[in-house]
Amino acid sequence: AQSVTQLGSHVSVSEGALVLLRCNYSSSVPPYLFWYVQYPNQGLQLLLKYTSAATLVKGINGFEAEFKKSETSFHLTKPSAHMSDAAEYFCAVIMNRDDKIIFGKGTRLHILP
Amino acid sequence: GAVVSQHPSRVICKSGTSVKIECRSLDFQATTMFWYRQFPKQSLMLMATSNEGSKATYEQGVEKDKFLINHASLTLSTLTVTSAHPEDSSFYICSARGLGHRSYNEQFFGPGTRLTVL
Repeated sequence: AQSVTQLGSHVSVSEGALVLLRCNYSSSVPPYLFWYVQYPNQGLQLLLKYTSAATLVKGINGFEAEFKKSETSFHLTKPSAHMSDAAEYFCAVIMNRDDKIIFGKGTRLHILP
Repeated sequence: GAVVSQHPSRVICKSGTSVKIECRSLDFQATTMFWYRQFPKQSLMLMATSNEGSKATYEQGVEKDKFLINHASLTLSTLTVTSAHPEDSSFYICSARGLGHRSYNEQFFGPGTRLTVL
């Protein structure tokens, strides 16, 4: 069965520093992978998605993620953190269109001034 | 495009009453809608999947008689929490997946509904 593991329930970075949020998946077939962001008391907003096209995916707000099959990873990065990036981030996987989305447990990103 | 709304955004009710939450796809036809529940500082837990015109499929451990789901049209699904109790207090989020390549393999999420049962 597919699953998603997010390493680190909390990550703190200084404003202007590199953001790296880790996500590893387990799957016997090529998956579709997503990163979502959730601000307090709000729903989920899609940051970016991997759907077997380019392995480096660029999303909104300056985020990007690279699909690495050999490492079964889909880590999320941003070169320079902004205070507004403070939020909860969820990595998610889906095997095909009819399957359910499996969410990771989430990583809370804290931005230090 | 691909906007999903939920109503109400917040609701407070007394124990024993029923509460209805609406989920609407505003600019696309949602063939499938999903209902999630999220406890504080936790991830989303899928409660049920509903396809337009058919009965919802509930996840294991979710009481279908307590959480009634109706997906009567391609733009509206409702979740009714019947005889609500304080332990039903949570953040409920819906998502929708629809027709067309734009939404292929992607769910669009509503803003969520905060339910507080006194």
